Amino acid sequence: NAGVTQTPKFQVLKTGQSMTLQCAQDMNHEYMSWYRQDPGMGLRLIHYSVGAGITDQGEVPNGYNVSRSTTEDFPLRLLSAAPSQTSVYFCATGVSVANTGELFFGEGSRLTVL
Amino acid sequence: EDQVTQSPEALRLQEGESSSLNCSYTVSGLRGLFWYRQDPGKGPEFLFTLYSAGEEKEKERLKATLTKKESFLHITAPKPEDSATYLCAVQAFGTSYGKLTFGQGTILTVHP
Repeated sequence: NAGVTQTPKFQVLKTGQSMTLQCAQDMNHEYMSWYRQDPGMGLRLIHYSVGAGITDQGEVPNGYNVSRSTTEDFPLRLLSAAPSQTSVYFCATGVSVANTGELFFGEGSRLTVL
Repeated sequence: EDQVTQSPEALRLQEGESSSLNCSYTVSGLRGLFWYRQDPGKGPEFLFTLYSAGEEKEKERLKATLTKKESFLHITAPKPEDSATYLCAVQAFGTSYGKLTFGQGTILTVHP
C-alpha cells in the first residue's frame, strides 16, 4: 500500500517550458488536491477534485491545469513555467468529501524554474 | 477572508521541557481546525481535528485544545523525535469542500 505517490521528486525547468507533475493514490479516496508550499506563505490550494471528472479551482490556480479521468490519478500541468512557480508541490487526498480536513499528503515534488 | 496565524515561528526546547504552540484564527464560521506535523523533506502528517470550542484531543505527548479564537498544541515532556514543523489549518462553513487555510507553521526543535 503506497498511499500517495508523487513524481518526479525533483525537477528543474526553464522559463516557458511545460511539464506535468504526477499524483497517484491507491486508497480509493474521493478527494484529491494540489497544494504549493513556499517559505513564509504556508500551504496554498491550487486545484482540487471531489471525484473522477470533477475539478475546481483553489486559491492560486493561475498557470496550472488539472484533470481527473480516474479515481487514482490527478496530474497537475504547468502550461508555461515561470520563476514564480518555483515551489514545493504537494498532492493530498481525503477519505470523503465530508471529511476532507483529514488529508493524506505525498512527499512532495520540488520544482525550480530558471 | 479566512486567516491563520501561528506563533512562535520557531521554538527551541530542552528534552522534557513542556511548552505550547499557538494557532490564532479568523473564519466566518469554523467547520474544523486541524493540526499537522511536517518533517523536513516530507509531506504533512495529520494529527488532530477539533470542531468546537472546549474540545480537546490527545496523542502521546501532544494535546490540542480549541477556543473560539485560537487553538493550542501542548507538548508535555518532549523528546528529540518531536522535532518538526507543526502546521495548523482551518476549514470554514460555506467554502468549497477541502479548502483548508494553513498557517505558516511553528518549527519545533527539541534538544537532548
